[in-house]
Amino acid sequence: QKEVEQNSGPLSVPEGAIASLNCTYSDRVSQSFFWYRQYSGKSPELIMSIYSNGDKEDGRFTAQLNKASQYVSLLIRDSQPSDSATYLCAVTPDRGSTLGRLYFGRGTQLTVWP
Amino acid sequence: DAGVIQSPRHEVTEMGQEVTLRCKPISGHDYLFWYRQTMMRGLELLIYFNNNVPIDDSGMPEDRFSAKMPNASFSTLKIQPSEPRDSAVYFCASSETAGTTDTQYFGPGTRLTVL
Repeated sequence: QKEVEQNSGPLSVPEGAIASLNCTYSDRVSQSFFWYRQYSGKSPELIMSIYSNGDKEDGRFTAQLNKASQYVSLLIRDSQPSDSATYLCAVTPDRGSTLGRLYFGRGTQLTVWP
Repeated sequence: DAGVIQSPRHEVTEMGQEVTLRCKPISGHDYLFWYRQTMMRGLELLIYFNNNVPIDDSGMPEDRFSAKMPNASFSTLKIQPSEPRDSAVYFCASSETAGTTDTQYFGPGTRLTVL
């Protein structure tokens, strides 16, 4: 059973604040980690991917990975109302028979208020 | 590229009817995925294909569900007979390869309502 857990939310932050989204996964051999953003009524779109321990920054977004703790997070700096969406954490288990398959968490709904 | 194309965008049907959802992946993408999203269960993988061949259908909930990919540019997900609990948003996604770094691109989804 490969489980991906996210903090349940909803998360509400004021404009300009840092939003912190967290995700844990159960499968130790997980290789790749992704954050998707989904606006209400829309499809998921990839915003960040991370494959090795540490931090990865892309503009206002920073993904953090700690494989020993089986933990991945997404920080959004200077949050904007346009960041209001559901954020989905996704994990690929390994490089074997399930190559290419993504396991998704339930998502955390983020609201950024002006 | 136009992205992943799905049709119809909305489908309302009555219990017991057959429903067919359609998907056209991004040209050149070898992998195609069918997902279902509900409030209760989140985003679930139903089945995925590699080069038109089904690789993993363990997520297909029941025999009422079937999926085909007759060629590289077209796939269908069929539900027969449909039930109210099948109501959900069904997404199709495609990726170029199955490398662990590859991005899956999602279509706009089909919102299915079974009355």
